[in-house]
Amino acid sequence: GAVVSQHPSWVICKSGTSVKIECRSLDFQATTMFWYRQFPKQSLMLMATSNEGSKATYEQGVEKDKFLINHASLTLSTLTVTSAHPEDSSFYICSARDDTGSGANVLTFGAGSRLTVL
Amino acid sequence: AQRVTQPEKLLSVFKGAPVELKCNYSYSGSPELFWYVQYSRQRLQLLLRHISRESIKGFTADLNKGETSFHLKKPFAQEEDSAMYYCALGNSGNTPLVFGKGTRLSVIA
Repeated sequence: GAVVSQHPSWVICKSGTSVKIECRSLDFQATTMFWYRQFPKQSLMLMATSNEGSKATYEQGVEKDKFLINHASLTLSTLTVTSAHPEDSSFYICSARDDTGSGANVLTFGAGSRLTVL
Repeated sequence: AQRVTQPEKLLSVFKGAPVELKCNYSYSGSPELFWYVQYSRQRLQLLLRHISRESIKGFTADLNKGETSFHLKKPFAQEEDSAMYYCALGNSGNTPLVFGKGTRLSVIA
């Protein structure tokens, strides 16, 4: 079945540094990927929709200069948290939709990346 | 606007008891409804979707457009069903799914 790989699964960084998280669809192409943020014991909050070859669409309240998204190929989207601060510490999850359409609206999720900013 | 409501944050049931996880949605168009599950220390995964009309791991969910609900049911809960369950709403095209806040199901032996 469809698999989405996220890397790194866990990262600790100092305040002020930037962190890049990769999301790869391993056995399918995904024109569209989604980035979510999950706080402890809370639901997923959609951050942005990543579109291959074009700019990402950010949800209201999400700073696009803070969370840079690049979707350079049909199998890779990256989320860069720039100048990270402790309040950016969270669990970031990506998901991808298979372009073939056989999965209808089904999303495949990555395992998530836990970011801790000291 | 699209909205998904899961009124229960936590649901505890005894093993063998029936389970119903509630989900209500708000959407003016033709909705697609899903249930996703997240077991402990695992990634979110699709459990079932309304268009498939299937039963997965004993779970079923029927879309009730009149009541705008998509409740998840299982007649006899098992310990391995303990997990976080999310109801999600989508539509055609590349729009993102909208998730409910989730319900944590705890099945007690």
